[in-house]
This record gives sequence, C-alpha cells and structure tokens, in this order.
Amino acid sequence: EDKVVQSPLSLVVHEGDTVTLNCSYEVTNFRSLLWYKQEKKAPTFLFMLTSSGIEKKSGRLSSILDKKELFSILNITATQTGDSAVYLCAVGRDDKIIFGKGTRLHILP
Amino acid sequence: ETGVTQSPTHLIKTRGQQVTLRCSSQSGHNTVSWYQQALGQGPQFIFQYYREEENGRGNFPPRFSGLQFPNYSSELNVNALELDDSALYLCASSPTPPRMNTEAFFGQGTRLTVV
Repeated sequence: EDKVVQSPLSLVVHEGDTVTLNCSYEVTNFRSLLWYKQEKKAPTFLFMLTSSGIEKKSGRLSSILDKKELFSILNITATQTGDSAVYLCAVGRDDKIIFGKGTRLHILP
Repeated sequence: ETGVTQSPTHLIKTRGQQVTLRCSSQSGHNTVSWYQQALGQGPQFIFQYYREEENGRGNFPPRFSGLQFPNYSSELNVNALELDDSALYLCASSPTPPRMNTEAFFGQGTRLTVV
C-alpha cells in the first residue's frame, strides 16, 4: 500500500532556530514530491521536487529529494513565529496526490 | 489567494442527509481533485477529474460521487451522511493534465459537520 510518512509529527523550537522536517515514501508510479504549508485551511504550495539531489530554495526554506533512499527533507533556517504551521509532504502520481499526516511546527518567540 | 474558491465555507448536516459541495477552479485549470481532511490528519484523496472524466479514485465508498463541468468547476456529493464524514473538504486544481508534473492549488475548504 502506498504511504507517505512524516517525522517528527510535532516540533516546538525557539525563534531563530533551524529545523529539518523529514518525509519518507513508498509510492508506486512516483511523479513528484510536494511540500505544502497549512496554517488554517488551504494548504499553500512550497516546493515540487522531481529529481534527486537538486536543492530547491525559497528564502529561508529549502528542500531536497533522494529518489534512491525514497525521502525528502524540508529545512527552515532562522525560524520566525510566522513559520508556525502544519507542513505537509505529498507524493504526486498520475491519478492522485498522497499526503502524509504532516508535521506540526510551533515557533516560540 | 490561489483563485480556487469553495462553497459553502461551513455546513452542518444531520446523519443520513445528502450534501453537495462546490468548487470553482482557478482560471485555465482543467484538473480538479477532492480531499477529505479529518482533524489532525493529512488530506485523504477522494477522486480526481480531468476534462469532465474521473481519472482516479481513493478508498472512499460509492456514496461519495463527483462531477466536473465544461467550465471545469466541480461538485462533490455525499449521500447518506455518517458522523465520520465530519471533516474539512478540500478542492485542488491543476493547470495541466495529470501526467505532467505540476503542483495543485487548494481552495479554503468546506468544513462539514454531521450531527
């Protein structure tokens, strides 16, 4: 059965810290790995990764994919209270997107 | 703002009733998918439509059904509502056919409560 597993499920850090969120997957017909940030309702798109070893960056956020070991990480440096959210990892196939349960990140001021 | 709009935002229904949720895709997006997100869980895929045809379905019973219209807007219908159907229902649209790598843009969701 296809699955996407995120760790940790919950994380509390202080403002300014760096965090690493993990995502492992076992999914047939892999097309892409996606990261979303969900603050209240609508998940907002962060990154889409399709190739191994190529880091994608957006400001303080970066992500990389390892298709051999079947995992991805999302790094957030110099965290801010506005980074508090649930971060969702998902794997895209032709016919669906399979989500993990998410990592709930809380940044203390 | 993603340009994907869902209605209504909140809804309370009684067990056994039927409900229709609506989604208006972002302009130019021809693929739409629906997800159910229970509290504390990740979104669970219900089904996907591409150019008015269903082209993928998750592990949901037949009482969950959908439609996509020529303007690419979409409906999710749930019959014989059960208490466990209480969740946030998310609609997502994509600008390309499912076989192409692209991200999905989500609407704000409909919070359904079944009592």
